[in-house]
Amino acid sequence: AQSVAQPEDQVNVAEGNPLTVKCTYSVSGNPYLFWYVQYPNRGLQFLLKYITGDNLVKGSYGFEAEFNKSQTSFHLKKPSALVSDSALYFCAVRDRNRGSTLGRLYFGRGTQLTVWP
Amino acid sequence: KAGVTQTPRYLIKTRGQQVTLSCSPISGHRSVSWYQQTPGQGLQFLFEYFSETQRNKGNFPGRFSGRQFSNSRSEMNVSTLELGDSALYLCASSTQETGELFFGEGSRLTVL
Repeated sequence: AQSVAQPEDQVNVAEGNPLTVKCTYSVSGNPYLFWYVQYPNRGLQFLLKYITGDNLVKGSYGFEAEFNKSQTSFHLKKPSALVSDSALYFCAVRDRNRGSTLGRLYFGRGTQLTVWP
Repeated sequence: KAGVTQTPRYLIKTRGQQVTLSCSPISGHRSVSWYQQTPGQGLQFLFEYFSETQRNKGNFPGRFSGRQFSNSRSEMNVSTLELGDSALYLCASSTQETGELFFGEGSRLTVL
């Protein structure tokens, strides 16, 4: 079975400090991994993805994520947080080896990031 | 290029009624998926369509149905609405070349 865990419901950081939003996954094969962000009353916006290659993936708005196969993790990071980064963040996975269809992702429960001034 | 467009953005229905939600994918995207988002259950997959065929379906009752038209536009229908159907319904389109989903702003359904 495919699943994603985001162990922290909330993450609070001060503006200018580095931030990390954690994600671990479970798939039977090799994963495609994604991060999305959601602002209030809006849809999900794509941040970045890991398909293959370099384990450090750079995405939109200065975010990056590191794929760690041995720890089955894909943590989202940013060196210097902004107040405008405050939002709900979702990690998602698709198992490439199961012939999964394109449109079905398995999402974590989300992590509310609050960046205070 | 225009993004994924969902209509209506907000709607209020009463129990027992039915509702139809519409989704226009990004031009050139042939895969359309639907998700339900609630505070309690999070993001749950409803179904996926590709070239007018349902390719995948989540664990929802038969009251939830969908279809896709030849221009890739999609609709989902919920019949005999229940209070628990109140949710944000998100549509996403995708293409094999990039792999990620592009989401619309959602349709927020309130069932009274």
